[in-house]
Amino acid sequence: RKEVEQDPGPFNVPEGATVAFNCTYSNSASQSFFWYRQDCRKEPKLLMSVYSSGNEDGRFTAQLNRASQYISLLIRDSKLSDSATYLCVVNTNAGKSTFGDGTTLTVKP
Amino acid sequence: DGGITQSPKYLFRKEGQNVTLSCEQNLNHDAMYWYRQDPGQGLRLIYYSQIVNDFQKGDIAEGYSVSREKKESFPLTVTSAQKNPTAFYLCASSIGRVETQYFGPGTRLLVL
Repeated sequence: RKEVEQDPGPFNVPEGATVAFNCTYSNSASQSFFWYRQDCRKEPKLLMSVYSSGNEDGRFTAQLNRASQYISLLIRDSKLSDSATYLCVVNTNAGKSTFGDGTTLTVKP
Repeated sequence: DGGITQSPKYLFRKEGQNVTLSCEQNLNHDAMYWYRQDPGQGLRLIYYSQIVNDFQKGDIAEGYSVSREKKESFPLTVTSAQKNPTAFYLCASSIGRVETQYFGPGTRLLVL
């Protein structure tokens, strides 16, 4: 079993749709959590950190469930420009960082 | 301009050759990381370093070596022992070990 697992998708949604991605992790010692966005053939860029209380940034909402060991990302009112691969990242306190394989989103007109 | 630079953008390796990928940051970050990404897959951790003169193996360290002699530099050598080196290599840095990582633009390594 992988340490961090994501549904690979692809998710194909129309503009304006709401879409949710989940990411599960197996290491209960994990300390910090992030969502990154990666465009084709580019480096990943931070989308948002994930806090225990949940956090929102515009159309994006991230949640953390430590008991069930998963994090989620909700995108509301999808835009064409949201099309990308979304990667979840889990860090342990020892500094080891594990990425999920990514979920591909395509938003269509 | 603060950031992370990687060079070269494209690198070609002949069979049996060692090659070194450069990663430099001027963000004054303590931690630095090397990842490998194969097409359609996520990032896999090769090596990471939390402090100068110290580094740890990641999940796929075999066939790679690193050094961390300076805070701002973390070069990665792909040795001839790495039998399938063709991939996209990404370097990242962060303030501390559980903090946000910032990535360089990557180096694409191809085997001739």
